[in-house]
Amino acid sequence: GQQLNQSPQSMFIQEGEDVSMNCTSSSIFNTWLWYKQDPGEGPVLLIALYKAGELTSNGRLTAQFGITRKDSFLNISASIPSDVGIYFCAGQRWSGNTPLVFGKGTRLSVIA
Amino acid sequence: KAGVTQTPRYLIKTRGQQVTLSCSPISGHRSVSWYQQTPGQGLQFLFEYFSETQRNKGNFPGRFSGRQFSNSRSEMNVSTLELGDSALYLCASSTGGLAGTDTQYFGPGTRLTVL
Repeated sequence: GQQLNQSPQSMFIQEGEDVSMNCTSSSIFNTWLWYKQDPGEGPVLLIALYKAGELTSNGRLTAQFGITRKDSFLNISASIPSDVGIYFCAGQRWSGNTPLVFGKGTRLSVIA
Repeated sequence: KAGVTQTPRYLIKTRGQQVTLSCSPISGHRSVSWYQQTPGQGLQFLFEYFSETQRNKGNFPGRFSGRQFSNSRSEMNVSTLELGDSALYLCASSTGGLAGTDTQYFGPGTRLTVL
């Protein structure tokens, strides 16, 4: 099935550093979502973006919906050990009644 | 508000058997979507049910089926299990409406191991 191109695949960073990851697609999406998944658990929604150009923050997390509707990025500032996990981007053609298309995830490791 | 619940959390089956997984959505949510997550393929969409009707379907064989009840609870069934069906099966619920701000919330998943 279709998947988004998410990069990087993995990151090792020092506690306190900022993190940036992004997602691109050859198709247009009208909703972009960012989830975090811990081992053995389901993805937890971090940020939802519904308008092209939208920039939204959730605490230390900031995400943007690309102007072309074909990309999105997520930034984490001042990383802490509990930021460890796998971050997924997901695109949705039309919010509410279309399936999510996922990236393969960015595995984040934080070194204290 | 309680979140999405899935039962059972873990399941071990042998090839050829069938399995039924259950998902209870967030109260008030009428849409339930099912996804399969494997290390190789990532998260892949199986199907979505809204008001007891299958509204969207992914690219999986007919061995994978589902249904939704009048209380919005959903079940998915996999018949004639194969080794490659070992995965984390996730369900997600949403209001399912056409509003531009609807969002899917995931349950903890059911880890299925096929031996």
